[in-house]
Amino acid sequence: DGGITQSPKYLFRKEGQNVTLSCEQNLNHDAMYWYRQDPGQGLRLIYYSQIVNDFQKGDIAEGYSVSREKKESFPLTVTSAQKNPTAFYLCASSPGLAGDGEQFFGPGTRLTVL
Amino acid sequence: AQKVTQAQTEISVVEKEDVTLDCVYETRDTTYYLFWYKQPPSGELVFLIRRNSFDEQNEISGRYSWNFQKSTSSFNFTITASQVVDSAVYFCALTILAGTASKLTFGTGTRLQVTL
Repeated sequence: DGGITQSPKYLFRKEGQNVTLSCEQNLNHDAMYWYRQDPGQGLRLIYYSQIVNDFQKGDIAEGYSVSREKKESFPLTVTSAQKNPTAFYLCASSPGLAGDGEQFFGPGTRLTVL
Repeated sequence: AQKVTQAQTEISVVEKEDVTLDCVYETRDTTYYLFWYKQPPSGELVFLIRRNSFDEQNEISGRYSWNFQKSTSSFNFTITASQVVDSAVYFCALTILAGTASKLTFGTGTRLQVTL
């Protein structure tokens, strides 16, 4: 089945450690995105990538890093510089110019910093 | 810059009641898309509807209907005869196309609780 997978579903990390969240899509989409969701808030864009080997900062990129070495994969690293990393992280993809704005979302990863 | 406002933080209704979720947006672009997504307790966002800025026709899909009014910059969502399974957080979102990517701006969401 075509879709977006995120792993793991739940992730725990100790303060001061970097952690990488996985996002894979088999929809052949050009663009991919990472969002952060905090309780009672909407989704906020962290990073997005329009094509392989290219990515742009979103609204809250500080303390995060990404890579886009393959079209299918867009991993997000939460670094120790992120002051409040506990949140729900959602990955999404869209067809790019071939589409009309709709984004398809993965199931999310809930990160808890202990 | 784009902005989406969902003023209703939480709504509680009894099953079979009708309920309307409000969405007001701001953008200077003339070409844009509006979306509604549903987020059940599992967390995954489920796409409900997309509407482009040139299509103001209202849409009905089963118990769901949407009212798009450019004059008031609103894109409201009505659930008729609500059911317990409708309980979720609903997000309204706006996008303009920036290059090949579509940057979605989300509202803060409305939590709908439907009880028996």
